[in-house]
Amino acid sequence: GAGVSQTPSNKVTEKGKYVELRCDPISGHTALYWYRQSLGQGPEFLIYFQGTGAADDSGLPNDRFFAVRPEGSVSTLKIQRTERGDSAVYLCASSITGQSSYNEQFFGPGTRLTVL
Amino acid sequence: AQSVSQHNHHVILSEAASLELGCNYSYGGTVNLFWYVQYPGQHLQLLLKYFSGDPLVKGIKGFEAEFIKSKFSFNLRKPSVQWSDTAEYFCAVNAWASGGSYIPTFGRGTSLIVHP
Repeated sequence: GAGVSQTPSNKVTEKGKYVELRCDPISGHTALYWYRQSLGQGPEFLIYFQGTGAADDSGLPNDRFFAVRPEGSVSTLKIQRTERGDSAVYLCASSITGQSSYNEQFFGPGTRLTVL
Repeated sequence: AQSVSQHNHHVILSEAASLELGCNYSYGGTVNLFWYVQYPGQHLQLLLKYFSGDPLVKGIKGFEAEFIKSKFSFNLRKPSVQWSDTAEYFCAVNAWASGGSYIPTFGRGTSLIVHP
């Protein structure tokens, strides 16, 4: 079966613009995570969905960042008024469930966001 | 809050050398531990995981890791590395988060370069 897919693979935008990043998880996976990875760093947790609801959004850096998962499958990460500091690789991962500590995460290839 | 430390940020080895990458975590409760690998141009994938039982865990491609609870460590080892092991290695811990779910925390990663 298909793995986690993310689009676009690369996004270049100008400071102040709005961007949307899409994640398509593995079919049947109820848990979906967004991470941000800066150069030389590990993935930094942003938000976690269990089904359609955001179960934990404690990692979102500020109110410019928002994510949705309206039907419990595809998710969109939205960034308003982008800043140069938002430049990073945005990773999406899914797992069968987030309700267990045994969950292995399956990662997508990421979207490289560059804010000029 | 939990944290993960990877002390070796860059490791350079020759083929057939032995490898040990350090990982220490900070969390007082029950944890599940993971090592993920990211080969050049590929996405993050699971290398091995520890949930319970035998603290010596064997993963893919000849890798193993030992969980030492008293030292809060989960070091990754391989007796003889190959050029194809060149990659970024990330240690991660799943721990109960305040939001009511298990959120993984990643270390900053270790870049391994193996010379043929």
